[in-house]
Amino acid sequence: QVQLMQSGAEVKRSGASVKVSCKPSGYTFTGYAIHWVRQAPGQGLEWMGWINPVNGNTKYSQKFQGRVTITRDISASTAYMEVESLTSEDTAVYYCARDWTGTFDFWGQGTLVTVSS
Amino acid sequence: DIQMTQSPTTLSASVGDSVTITCRASQYINNYVVWYQQKPGKAPNLLIYGASTLKSGVPSRFSGSGSGTDFTLTISSLQPEDFATYYCQQSHSTPRTFGQGTKVEIK
Repeated sequence: QVQLMQSGAEVKRSGASVKVSCKPSGYTFTGYAIHWVRQAPGQGLEWMGWINPVNGNTKYSQKFQGRVTITRDISASTAYMEVESLTSEDTAVYYCARDWTGTFDFWGQGTLVTVSS
Repeated sequence: DIQMTQSPTTLSASVGDSVTITCRASQYINNYVVWYQQKPGKAPNLLIYGASTLKSGVPSRFSGSGSGTDFTLTISSLQPEDFATYYCQQSHSTPRTFGQGTKVEIK
């Protein structure tokens, strides 16, 4: 069965960086793009960007351009999302999700990133 | 960017009620709308794609309709497990954008 397993919760200081991993299983890693979506406490869903695992091509939301980097390691069948220069406004649950014809059909369990000053 | 305006923000209903959530896109998106259900502390769960196609395994009391800019999600005969937050999302173009969410709560 398809699963996307994310790394564990993180606590970071303002100004630091965080890197979250997403390891899918149950399908061929290079067969589907991976997106990243975040959700601040009590708020809605916010799309951050996506990566094509085949060639590593990425696209980001304008809001996160230059501060977020999405990468992948084909040998490890893992996608990564790094956020730099963290502020308290980056405190959120970060999700990875598989892209199936533009639809996010499977999601990771979420990674809580807490930014403290 | 395509804006997705979802309403209402909160909806109070009872078990057995029929409820409808609406989503309006800021521009024409054909039928490229997806609906998700999210329960507290959990990742969103895909319900409907292509505006009206139920994901396999989703109960038939869920239905979606619409095309162009106006879309609806209807839950007929609400069940206790349906009390959750629902989001629409456009899959027409990048950046992918979501509606603000509708919380369906028990009256």
